[in-house]
Amino acid sequence: SQKIEQNSEALNIQEGKTATLTCNYTNYSPAYLQWYRQDPGRGPVFLLLIRENEKEKRKERLKVTFDTTLKQSLFHITASQPADSATYLCALADTGTASKLTFGTGTRLQVTL
Amino acid sequence: KAGVTQTPRYLIKTRGQQVTLSCSPISGHRSVSWYQQTPGQGLQFLFEYFSETQRNKGNFPGRFSGRQFSNSRSEMNVSTLELGDSALYLCASSPTKGTYNEQFFGPGTRLTVL
Repeated sequence: SQKIEQNSEALNIQEGKTATLTCNYTNYSPAYLQWYRQDPGRGPVFLLLIRENEKEKRKERLKVTFDTTLKQSLFHITASQPADSATYLCALADTGTASKLTFGTGTRLQVTL
Repeated sequence: KAGVTQTPRYLIKTRGQQVTLSCSPISGHRSVSWYQQTPGQGLQFLFEYFSETQRNKGNFPGRFSGRQFSNSRSEMNVSTLELGDSALYLCASSPTKGTYNEQFFGPGTRLTVL
C-alpha cells in the first residue's frame, strides 16, 4: 500500500543548530514533492517544491533534497530560530494524479533558546 | 491580494445533520482543493475542482460532496454527519489545475459533531 512517513516524534533542537526532517515514501512515483509549515490552528503554508529530476533546492535558510532511489526527502533548516517551531509536512502527488496531493502526518519541530 | 477565506470558521452540529462549508479562493485562482485534517489521520485529500469540474476525488464516502461556481468559489457538503466527521476542513487554491504549483491554504473550518 502507499505510505508517506514522517517522524511522528517531536524534534527538539537548540537555537542556531541545523534541523533535519525526514520524509520517506512507499509505492509512489512522485513527479515532485512539496514541504509545508503548519502552525497550531492555521492552514499549512507552502515552503518549497522539488521535482523528481532535481536533487536539491534551496531558499534562504531552507534546503530540500530528493532521492528517488532511496524514496526519501530531507528538509533542513539552518541556523534555526525559536520562530521556526511548527509542524512541517511533506506532500507528494503520484505521476498521473497531479491534482491529488497526499500529505505525511508531519513532524513537530521545537527550537529552544 | 486577499488570501483564501473560509466560512464559517467554527461549526457545531449533531449527528445526522448536514453541513455546508464555503471557500473563496485567491482572486484569479481557478483550482480549489478540499482536505480533512484530524489528529489521527492527518491531512487527507477530499477533492479538487477546476473550472467547475471535479478533477480528482479522495477515498471518502459519498456523504462528502462538493461543487465549484463560475467565480471559482467552492462549497463542500457533508450529509448525515457522524461523530468521526469532526475535523478541521481546509481548502486550498492554486492558479492552475493540478498541484504542480504551491497550494494556498485557508484558515480552515473547525467542525464539531456532537
